[in-house]
Amino acid sequence: AQSVTQPDIHITVSEGASLELRCNYSYGATPYLFWYVQSPGQGLQLLLKYFSGDTLVQGIKGFEAEFKRSQSSFNLRKPSVHWSDAAEYFCAVGADNQGVKLIFGQGTELSVKP
Amino acid sequence: DSGVTQTPKHLITATGQRVTLRCSPRSGDLSVYWYQQSLDQGLQFLIQYYNGEERAKGNILERFSAQQFPDLHSELNLSSLELGDSALYFCASSALGRTVNTEAFFGQGTRLTVV
Repeated sequence: AQSVTQPDIHITVSEGASLELRCNYSYGATPYLFWYVQSPGQGLQLLLKYFSGDTLVQGIKGFEAEFKRSQSSFNLRKPSVHWSDAAEYFCAVGADNQGVKLIFGQGTELSVKP
Repeated sequence: DSGVTQTPKHLITATGQRVTLRCSPRSGDLSVYWYQQSLDQGLQFLIQYYNGEERAKGNILERFSAQQFPDLHSELNLSSLELGDSALYFCASSALGRTVNTEAFFGQGTRLTVV
């Protein structure tokens, strides 16, 4: 069955430090992969998505993610974290061949230290 | 602001009751998706409608039903409510029937508390 694992439930980084949030997926075919961010009291905002092509994708707010098929991973990175990046981050995979039904990971909560 | 509107924002009701959650998609979007976010289950896909027709179904209980109206707004009906139904219910919309080469825009959610 398709699944998404985010191994880190909570991560704390210092402002200005680099960030990497891990995501591993289990899916038989070529996956459609997404990263969403949820700020407190807000809905989910799409940061970036991978459908095909270049395995390094750029997103909004300075985030990027790299698709590594051999490792079944789609880790999210940011070179320098800002205090406003504190939020919960969700990795998701499109669970059908149309990418309609999203399967989400459990989320990683990011805290930013001043 | 994603352009997806969900009402009400908060809802408190008793066990055994029935509630209706409403979603207005972004202007022009034909697809509406419903998701449930709970502490124990995380974010789960419930159901999708496309231009009034049910398109995909996920882990939606038989006590739950949804529909999409001709004006494209959608309602999620939850009946015989149990304590475990307490969750944040999200609606999302997208332009097409697929999220491929497009994206789903999420509303701010309706927080349902069953007491």
